[in-house]
Amino acid sequence: RKEVEQDPGPFNVPEGATVAFNCTYSNSASQSFFWYRQDCRKEPKLLMSVYSSGNEDGRFTAQLNRASQYISLLIRDSKLSDSATYLCVVNTPQGAQKLVFGQGTRLTINP
Amino acid sequence: NAGVMQNPRHLVRRRGQEARLRCSPMKGHSHVYWYRQLPEEGLKFMVYLQKENIIDESGMPKERFSAEFPKEGPSILRIQQVVRGDSAAYFCASSPSGTVSTGELFFGEGSRLTVL
Repeated sequence: RKEVEQDPGPFNVPEGATVAFNCTYSNSASQSFFWYRQDCRKEPKLLMSVYSSGNEDGRFTAQLNRASQYISLLIRDSKLSDSATYLCVVNTPQGAQKLVFGQGTRLTINP
Repeated sequence: NAGVMQNPRHLVRRRGQEARLRCSPMKGHSHVYWYRQLPEEGLKFMVYLQKENIIDESGMPKERFSAEFPKEGPSILRIQQVVRGDSAAYFCASSPSGTVSTGELFFGEGSRLTVL
């Protein structure tokens, strides 16, 4: 089983729509969770952290369900510039810490 | 304030040659991570280094691959006797400390290796 699993998509949605991505992780001891964004042939960049209580950053809302080991990202009022691959990221809880990346979910916003 | 610098950005090698990828972390960052991204796949952790030390190389193939981060100069990922399956984007990331609880790794633009 992969450490971090995501639906690779692609998701094609019209501009202005709301879209949600999900992600599951296998290690119940993981403590930190993040969403990164990667544009085509570019480097990944941190989009937002994910907190247990849920958190919002503008049009983006992240949720964490520790019991189900499940993370979500909701994008409201999607823009053309939201087109990218969204990477679910979890830290390793033991030893030398590192970030483990999911395969990514590709999103295309259509005009 | 320069970000993470990787070079070369693009590298073409024939099977059996060596590939050497360089990464200069952000100023003040002493922790470097190398990730590999195969076409249409996610980033896979390879190795985590601090100055002069390999902290975790659990993601790096045992043969042909090596990494270093010397006291002076950039971190280097070296692939000997390259094969077609090594074709990928290799990303370097740096952080100011060894904790990734903030989640922010600063990535370079990547080095794209093509093996003919």
